[in-house]
Amino acid sequence: SQTIHQWPATLVQPVGSPLSLECTVEGTSNPNLYWYRQAAGRGLQLLFYSVGIGQISSEVPQNLSASRPQDRQFILSSKKLLLSDSGFYLCAWSVWPVTNYGYTFGSGTRLTVV
Amino acid sequence: AQSVTQLDSHVSVSEGTPVLLRCNYSSSYSPSLFWYVQHPNKGLQLLLKYTSAATLVKGINGFEAEFKKSETSFHLTKPSAHMSDAAEYFCVVSDQLTGGGNKLTFGTGTQLKVEL
Repeated sequence: SQTIHQWPATLVQPVGSPLSLECTVEGTSNPNLYWYRQAAGRGLQLLFYSVGIGQISSEVPQNLSASRPQDRQFILSSKKLLLSDSGFYLCAWSVWPVTNYGYTFGSGTRLTVV
Repeated sequence: AQSVTQLDSHVSVSEGTPVLLRCNYSSSYSPSLFWYVQHPNKGLQLLLKYTSAATLVKGINGFEAEFKKSETSFHLTKPSAHMSDAAEYFCVVSDQLTGGGNKLTFGTGTQLKVEL
């Protein structure tokens, strides 16, 4: 069965520090991978998506970047965190056609920038 | 671009009474629609999805939703609420991304409270 792992679950980082959140998927090949952010009191916003190794698309300009070094690994990074980067980050995967299976989300990372 | 509107930010029901969470969508073609649930500090769980097959979709935990094209609605219902249903619910529409993949556009969410 397919599983998705996301870590860490919670993170408190000072402003200006780097960030690395990791997401891995098991039990599927060549998934589409996504990073979403949920700010307090708001819905989810798509940050990045990837349809293959090394292929990254950004939906919104921001202080973050993403990389996909392996087929089932998706990393969210920042060189210098801002207060506005605080939020709940969710990794997700899907396979084609997405309408058959929907998306599967990781358990999320609660990031607090202080 | 496709979008969804969740008409209620908060819904409060008594345990054992019906649940209705409202969602309207905007789409230029036949959409793929989903309902997700998020319990506090947890990830998102798929409740059900509509993919142009049956208009009445049954999901997990006794939830179901009906796709009504004439009303552009996809309301989520459950005959009898349980305390464990208290969570935030998101109506979601899927759209294709340039270069492949799909983008989920989320509604702003409805917080469901279940009281004894």
